[in-house]
Amino acid sequence: GENVEQHPSTLSVQEGDSAVIKCTYSDSASNYFPWYKQELGKRPQLIIDIRSNVGEKKDQRIAVTLNKTAKHFSLHITETQPEDSAVYFCAARTTSGTYKYIFGTGTRLKVLA
Amino acid sequence: NAGVTQTPKFQVLKTGQSMTLQCAQDMNHEYMSWYRQDPGMGLRLIHYSVGAGITDQGEVPNGYNVSRSTTEDFPLRLLSAAPSQTSVYFCASSRDNSYEQYFGPGTRLTVT
Repeated sequence: GENVEQHPSTLSVQEGDSAVIKCTYSDSASNYFPWYKQELGKRPQLIIDIRSNVGEKKDQRIAVTLNKTAKHFSLHITETQPEDSAVYFCAARTTSGTYKYIFGTGTRLKVLA
Repeated sequence: NAGVTQTPKFQVLKTGQSMTLQCAQDMNHEYMSWYRQDPGMGLRLIHYSVGAGITDQGEVPNGYNVSRSTTEDFPLRLLSAAPSQTSVYFCASSRDNSYEQYFGPGTRLTVT
């Protein structure tokens, strides 16, 4: 079945450094790739997304890149701040059959002050 | 708009009991889905629906039933609860042409 792999599972960076989280998807028909941030005890919140017809998207300190050939997409956070500490999830909207969203297993990001 | 709402927030069940987790959205979204979240496992898709009257199984459907009689509501039924169903359950919805999923606040379920 469709699968999304996410790495690393944990990531610690110094405040001000950059963080990169990578995901790989299996369904080549996937057409939408969102990233969610989840703080402890809260619901996942969308922070950035990209559609399959775009290679890169940026919103202030966060950016997402997509390589359709390799079926990879990545989240880049620059100038990290302590409030960026959270769990981040990638997902892919697969379109084989009826469409659905499959999530990665999450990355716990710790930004050290 | 209230967005996506879920009830109850917390629930404790005994093994073998049944219950229904409620999910509703007021955004006229076609797509609705249920996920369970366990430590280290991410968000795993249980069931989803692309419109009223249409449901399909996700990655972990066993032990759960759903129905979609209206656009607004998508209840999740546990017919005979098991300790393995202890988890946090999230409902989400999206519009077909915008793709972004909106999540409800979650239901924390404990089965003893």
